[in-house]
Formats: sequence, structure tokens, C-alpha cells
Amino acid sequence: NAGVTQTPKFRVLKTGQSMTLLCAQDMNHEYMYWYRQDPGMGLRLIHYSVGEGTTAKGEVPDGYNVSRLKKQNFLLGLESAAPSQTSVYFCASSSGEPQHFGDGTRLSIL
Amino acid sequence: GDSVTQMEGPVTLSEEAFLTINCTYTATGYPSLFWYVQYPGEGLQLLLKATKADDKGSNKGFEATYRKETTSFHLEKGSVQVSDSAVYFCALAKDSNYQLIWGAGTKLIIKP
Repeated sequence: NAGVTQTPKFRVLKTGQSMTLLCAQDMNHEYMYWYRQDPGMGLRLIHYSVGEGTTAKGEVPDGYNVSRLKKQNFLLGLESAAPSQTSVYFCASSSGEPQHFGDGTRLSIL
Repeated sequence: GDSVTQMEGPVTLSEEAFLTINCTYTATGYPSLFWYVQYPGEGLQLLLKATKADDKGSNKGFEATYRKETTSFHLEKGSVQVSDSAVYFCALAKDSNYQLIWGAGTKLIIKP
């Protein structure tokens, strides 16, 4: 019963460093999403994908890149981390409604 | 544009109290409406949903009715338990890509 798995669960970066967050789903879902969650602001969509090989920008895409080379994986990259990117990141997948979420990655940028 | 507004938290109640968490929305057309719940340290999970006006979604003792005339989808439970302590998010489905528009979340604290 893995569902949606996010790696890593916690990470601390220095400003300017790069990293990749991995999301893997085993439900054969077409749609995958990356969100960030900040206090008092709910969830904001960063990027999403409607199928293998496709990506699209969400509400707050600046400073992030994504790739969906395999249907089950959706990668979120930070090329040059900034303190404003300190947040909790959630990945979700769906074949329609509802969305299924991972447990999140807590990322701190110093 | 489309938006969802939830009552601010935290909401603090005693066990067995009646719960209402308000949610109103602004949207064109006829969106589907959702309540998700986030327990501490976990991701979000669907609690209930409604897809058309006057539909009532229900799960685990929680209910919400899709009211198009008041553009609302308030969450209710008759008798809360300590285990209901969590953050509750109201959301609407935007388009065919199944994107969701989220409220800011309401933290619920239940005291024994």
C-alpha cells in the first residue's frame, strides 16, 4: 500500500544549492502535481503533469523545474535555492478525483 | 478568478461538541467541492465531496452540503472526538485537468 512516496522527508540547504525532490506513485495515475504549503496560505500549485512526458506551470512555478520521464515518477528541481523556497512540499497524483497525497518533504533554505 | 475562503483557525472545542467549519467559494460554472483533512505529520486525504448543487457528502460522521444559492460548503459534525484534531481544507475542482483551488485551511483542536 505505498500509494504516493516522497523522497527525502527532510532537507536543509544553503542558499544557492540545488536539489531534486522525487515523487513516486504506484497507482498508474495519469495526473501528478507538486504543491507547496506555507502557513496561512493553504496549498499552492507549482507544476503539474497530465501524462508521461508532459509538464505544465501552476500558480507559483518560478524557481522550480519539473520532469516526468516515467509515468510513475514526477521530479521537482530547485536549481538555485532561495530562503523564500523554505516550505513543505507535497506531491499528489490522480486519475481524476480525488487527489492522493504523499506525506510531504520539509525543506529549509538557510 | 476562482477562490475558496475558509474560516480562520484555530478552532478549539471540547470533546462531544458540535462542529461547524465555514467554507464559501467563488467560481464560474458548477465546480465539484471537497473537504480534505491533514493529520499531524501526514499528507492530505479526502474526507468528503459533492459534485452538484444540493448534494450532501458524508464520511466518518462529517457532513457538508453543496449550497449553490449561498456558494457554501460548510463542514459539520455532531459530536467531535480528540482524534478529529487536524487541519481541514476546503477545495473546488477547477477544470478538466482536475486542478484544485484550495482554501487556507482551518486547524481544529479538540480538548478532552
